Amino acid sequence: AQSVTQPDIHITVSEGASLELRCNYSYGATPYLFWYVQSPGQGLQLLLKYFSGDTLVQGIKGFEAEFKRSQSSFNLRKPSVHWSDAAEYFCAVGQPSGGSNYKLTFGKGTLLTVNP
Amino acid sequence: DTGVSQNPRHKITKRGQNVTFRCDPISEHNRLYWYRQTLGQGPEFLTYFQNEAQLEKSRLLSDRFSAERPKGSFSTLEIQRTEQGDSAMYLCASSLGQRRRQYSGNTIYFGEGSWLTVV
Repeated sequence: AQSVTQPDIHITVSEGASLELRCNYSYGATPYLFWYVQSPGQGLQLLLKYFSGDTLVQGIKGFEAEFKRSQSSFNLRKPSVHWSDAAEYFCAVGQPSGGSNYKLTFGKGTLLTVNP
Repeated sequence: DTGVSQNPRHKITKRGQNVTFRCDPISEHNRLYWYRQTLGQGPEFLTYFQNEAQLEKSRLLSDRFSAERPKGSFSTLEIQRTEQGDSAMYLCASSLGQRRRQYSGNTIYFGEGSWLTVV
């Protein structure tokens, strides 16, 4: 069965600093990988996704992530964090379920705090 | 552009009562998913539908839980005889399921969730 590990429960950065959120996955085949963001009391918004091809994926809000098969990792990065980026971030792996469809398994999340 | 809509957004109920949540997916999305999220945890898969057919149920979905999607449009998630352990946020999501494998895949869109508190 697939699983996702986000080693950092809580990260604090200063506004303008760079950010890297770690994600490691366990999956027997080529994974579909995702990063979602969740603001307090809200649903999940997709930041970016990887299905195949270029291992460096660009997303919304200036985020990017790099798939490294040898390390089973899909870390999320942003060069300069804004106060509005404060939220909880979830990494997820998609288990194919026919065609282009899949079922998501999430990590436990990393809470990002941004100091002014 | 309307996203995934969930009602009610918040529900407080007494232990032992039944509750029902409704999810309206994005129009024309034929796949619909239910997830549960407890405090400090990531969402956990409960079940999903392809049109009106319920194709998979998680072990988390005990006999007290039932989900339906009549006519392949909106879906309901009912919890009978609620317990305090059922307190969580219930998330609904939808996607345009496609039979053929594509390079970019299809995106799963989430609603804002329905909070359940069992007292």
